[in-house]
Amino acid sequence: DAGVTQSPTHLIKTRGQQVTLRCSPKSGHDTVSWYQQALGQGPQFIFQYYEEEERQRGNFPDRFSGHQYPNYSSELNVNALLLGDSALYLCASSLGQGRNQPQHFGDGTRLSIL
Amino acid sequence: AQTVTQSQPEMSVQEAETVTLSCTYDTSESNYYLFWYKQPPSRQMILVIRQEAYKQQNATENRFSVNFQKAAKSFSLKISDSQLGDTAMYFCAFMKPGFGNEKLTFGTGTRLTIIP
Repeated sequence: DAGVTQSPTHLIKTRGQQVTLRCSPKSGHDTVSWYQQALGQGPQFIFQYYEEEERQRGNFPDRFSGHQYPNYSSELNVNALLLGDSALYLCASSLGQGRNQPQHFGDGTRLSIL
Repeated sequence: AQTVTQSQPEMSVQEAETVTLSCTYDTSESNYYLFWYKQPPSRQMILVIRQEAYKQQNATENRFSVNFQKAAKSFSLKISDSQLGDTAMYFCAFMKPGFGNEKLTFGTGTRLTIIP
């Protein structure tokens, strides 16, 4: 049973560029959440997707956007990259929306902005 | 908004000893969930233990147990018979229940080192 998978593992971009990160949820899960983890910090919630719609959003600018596909996989897009966007981006999946189930995390994508 | 505080940035303990990690939180909610996650150098966030606020009994998972004090808004993690594989960052997290609320709010973490 495959867990949460994220790609790519590591990505290097320059300021102003755009990036897309991908996530496949654990089998049977229908909800995907994205978190940003800066070095030495706890993860910060970006947004959550369920039934292909953004259900919740954290305190992140509109440069951060996402998508969920009918197979529940998800993408995180970041436009106009800033140096401060350098972080580990974690995807988590759950059987969510009222079921209050624990979130299962992937290994993350390390994004470095030069 | 909920906040989660972990006041111990780093801790170390000898192998086989017992260690307790502290976590406090602030919320006006009466029902919620609390979690401890472990993040080893491999980066993957692994669920260690979960506590539901309306359950008075403290959760236990093998060598891991919690001391949940709802009135004090305290949620500590005890690791018994610590092993080298327990070396990791440990994060305390809070979640409100219900449709559309299922985001995790994390603390800043405690780096735990188990010394051989």
